[in-house]
Amino acid sequence: EVWLVQSGGGLVQPGGSLRLSCEASGFVFSNYAMTWVRQAPGKGLEWVSVISTDGAKIGYADSVRGRFTVSRDNSNNALYLQMSSLRVDDSAVYFCAKGIRADSLDMAFDIWGQGTLVTVSS
Amino acid sequence: EIVLTQSPATLSLSPGESATLSCRTSQSVKNYLVWYQQKPGQAPRLLIYDASNRATGVPARFSGSGSGTDFTLTISSLEPEDFAVYYCQQRLNWPPLTFGGGTKVEIK
Repeated sequence: EVWLVQSGGGLVQPGGSLRLSCEASGFVFSNYAMTWVRQAPGKGLEWVSVISTDGAKIGYADSVRGRFTVSRDNSNNALYLQMSSLRVDDSAVYFCAKGIRADSLDMAFDIWGQGTLVTVSS
Repeated sequence: EIVLTQSPATLSLSPGESATLSCRTSQSVKNYLVWYQQKPGQAPRLLIYDASNRATGVPARFSGSGSGTDFTLTISSLEPEDFAVYYCQQRLNWPPLTFGGGTKVEIK
């Protein structure tokens, strides 16, 4: 069965840093683009970042560019989101998700992690 | 940035009724439109990709249509488990990928 299991959320002060992890199983991780999407409490979905299969192509939302860094370790089937200079408005549930087609950047996402809560507060 | 506008914001219906959800984009996205379902406390679930293709395991009562700037998600006969929030997303131009604001389908 295909799974994405997330970890790394928590409470952090404004200006602090946090790293989120997303571990994949049940599929050939290295063949799929991956994305991060967040959802502030009671709000809609906001795309954060995407990374291609080999990490060569990366995209960020304007709201996080320069502060967040997405990466992947294909040998360990893991996706990461390094978040720094965190702001109160970064508080959200963060989801990782898998691209729908192998070896492509088709940005539809068919498998999602369970989500991890990041709270930025003093 | 392509802006997606979903309507209505809330749809109040009874089980067995049909639901029609709209998603309009600020510029053409051809057929690169995706629909997700999200229930409280859960991750989104992929329903429809490329405007009209049902994802694996999605019941036939869900159908998508449209192209260009106007898209529709139809649920032909609402089951109790269909009451949820539905989001559209365009995948033509990125960054940024963009989502609509969501339509909540609630029990009347």
